[in-house]
Amino acid sequence: GQSLEQPSEVTAVEGAIVQINCTYQTSGFYGLSWYQQHDGGAPTFLSYNALDGLEETGRFSSFLSRSDSYGYLLLQELQMKDSASYFCAVRDNSNTGKLIFGQGTTLQVKP
Amino acid sequence: EAGVAQSPRYKIIEKRQSVAFWCNPISGHATLYWYQQILGQGPKLLIQFQNNGVVDDSQLPKDRFSAERLKGVDSTLKIQPAKLEDSAVYLCASSLEGSGIQETQYFGPGTRLLVL
Repeated sequence: GQSLEQPSEVTAVEGAIVQINCTYQTSGFYGLSWYQQHDGGAPTFLSYNALDGLEETGRFSSFLSRSDSYGYLLLQELQMKDSASYFCAVRDNSNTGKLIFGQGTTLQVKP
Repeated sequence: EAGVAQSPRYKIIEKRQSVAFWCNPISGHATLYWYQQILGQGPKLLIQFQNNGVVDDSQLPKDRFSAERLKGVDSTLKIQPAKLEDSAVYLCASSLEGSGIQETQYFGPGTRLLVL
């Protein structure tokens, strides 16, 4: 079966750095994605890792270690608007593009 | 570029009633997904269409849920009859092809369903 684990909640202060971890178990593996969802909003794509290493996009970076079945999302210079839920998702079938989402991590940024 | 459109945004019904949701994907996107997101959980795929054909409906409760994508563009998801546990946000997403290794899914704003 497929499963993903993320912390349910993380709290940090404005300007700080926060790391959201994700471990996964899948029958196949074709990449780890991260999505952001503000309360009441639609999930929006943040990043994708297919190979080991760090991918950087502005204040956000994502890391993958396939040997450890582990990844993380790193948010730097936190802003109040970063308060949202963050979901990791794996693609376990290269033919269908189907995503399996984790339960999500709620990030609360405090002033 | 217009995003994924969904309607209605909110719906309240009583159990055993029927309800339908509509989705119009981004123009040119071949693949359309319907997800169910229960409060506090991640989205769960219900059904995936490639053009007007079903690619994956393994998690669709087929005794009460149905979906169609006529002409390979917009899609409707129906629940008949609804149960209390169907209360959730129903998200529609689309992607260009659906089979690429790296392909972004674009989500609509969702329909919030409350079953009383």
